[in-house]
Amino acid sequence: GAVVSQHPSRVICKSGTSVKIECRSLDFQATTMFWYRQFPKQSLMLMATSNEGSKATYEQGVEKDKFLINHASLTLSTLTVTSAHPEDSSFYICSARVTSGMGTGELFFGEGSRLTVL
Amino acid sequence: AQTVTQSQPEMSVQEAETVTLSCTYDTSESNYYLFWYKQPPSRQMILVIRQEAYKQQNATENRFSVNFQKAAKSFSLKISDSQLGDTAMYFCAFRVGGSQGNLIFGKGTKLSVKP
Repeated sequence: GAVVSQHPSRVICKSGTSVKIECRSLDFQATTMFWYRQFPKQSLMLMATSNEGSKATYEQGVEKDKFLINHASLTLSTLTVTSAHPEDSSFYICSARVTSGMGTGELFFGEGSRLTVL
Repeated sequence: AQTVTQSQPEMSVQEAETVTLSCTYDTSESNYYLFWYKQPPSRQMILVIRQEAYKQQNATENRFSVNFQKAAKSFSLKISDSQLGDTAMYFCAFRVGGSQGNLIFGKGTKLSVKP
């Protein structure tokens, strides 16, 4: 299957700093990527839909100025948590959609990034 | 609104036995897709099986099969010959329409396979 890589897998930062998480589709092009947040023992909550070359679409209740999403190429989307606070500590997961060829429409997930804000 | 409900927060099964995980959903759409994802302790989501709503035949993937009851809006996952590596969180998910829709996840079922 297609491979989606997320980096870093773990990050610890101080309150007030910004953290960038990268999501790459390694062997396919993805015009659409999704960012999720997962709290312990909870399901995945969609934060935003990242569209290559255009602004991200945020879900209700997600602060777009706090969670900056950039999808500058067909293989890379980034999520930047700005001015992070302890309540932003969570597991962030990206997924990328196959847009052509075999598996069109399928979603593949990254390994996730554990953010801890001190 | 579309919703996905998994009524079993946790389940356990003995190795080599069969277990069934429940999932119900609610939608007024007629064209949709259903999925089961596995999230092992490593945390990466892995697609286990998918079912197109327009197909009457239940999907199967090796030891994994589904019981899709469209009228009842039920989509259960059966795992046969359970293996220790099947221990994970299992999420039922739903997507409306074509390939552009978003996934809506249930809250998950934690499955433990015991030796």
